[in-house]
Amino acid sequence: AQTVTQSQPEMSVQEAETVTLSCTYDTSENNYYLFWYKQPPSRQMILVIRQEAYKQQNATENRFSVNFQKAAKSFSLKISDSQLGDTAMYFCAFREYGNKLVFGAGTILRVKS
Amino acid sequence: NAGVTQTPKFRILKIGQSMTLQCTQDMNHNYMYWYRQDPGMGLKLIYYSVGAGITDKGEVPNGYNVSRSTTEDFPLRLELAAPSQTSVYFCASSYAGGGRSPLHFGNGTRLTVT
Repeated sequence: AQTVTQSQPEMSVQEAETVTLSCTYDTSENNYYLFWYKQPPSRQMILVIRQEAYKQQNATENRFSVNFQKAAKSFSLKISDSQLGDTAMYFCAFREYGNKLVFGAGTILRVKS
Repeated sequence: NAGVTQTPKFRILKIGQSMTLQCTQDMNHNYMYWYRQDPGMGLKLIYYSVGAGITDKGEVPNGYNVSRSTTEDFPLRLELAAPSQTSVYFCASSYAGGGRSPLHFGNGTRLTVT
């Protein structure tokens, strides 16, 4: 079974600084997708960024970028120029060709002013 | 365009009661999903559907039932509520399977069973 591990239950960062959230996963598949979702206190699930495993180039969305290491099965999220609105729970998720999206346990990120 | 709409937002049930969590989407998505999120945890898949009339079990289906009579609606039924079903429930939809199209989530239903 596929598993997703987020080893950092909580992290803090000062406003305007950079923070990296870690994620590792386990799969025997070669083609799959990886995602980072943000869940603010409003409880809404918001897609932050997506990476396709067959693409070697790391995905980037404005201040958010990933470091995808396929051989190491690692998929970390870097948030640059952190803002107070980035305070949220962040979930790493994995989806192979099938229909099941598997989530990690999440990392609580607190941005401090 | 409302996206994915879940009702109710909150509900308190007594042990043994039944209820249906409603989910509807107006994006003409074929795929729909039900997840539960326990405190401090990630989301776990309960059931999913790849189209009207087709449903399948996810990781944690016990104690739940679903139906998909239309493309728009995907209700989740709890027949005999138990304290272990206290959780936040999310409905989601996507246009296609795999990772080609992202999931769109509803705002969740917080259910407490006492």
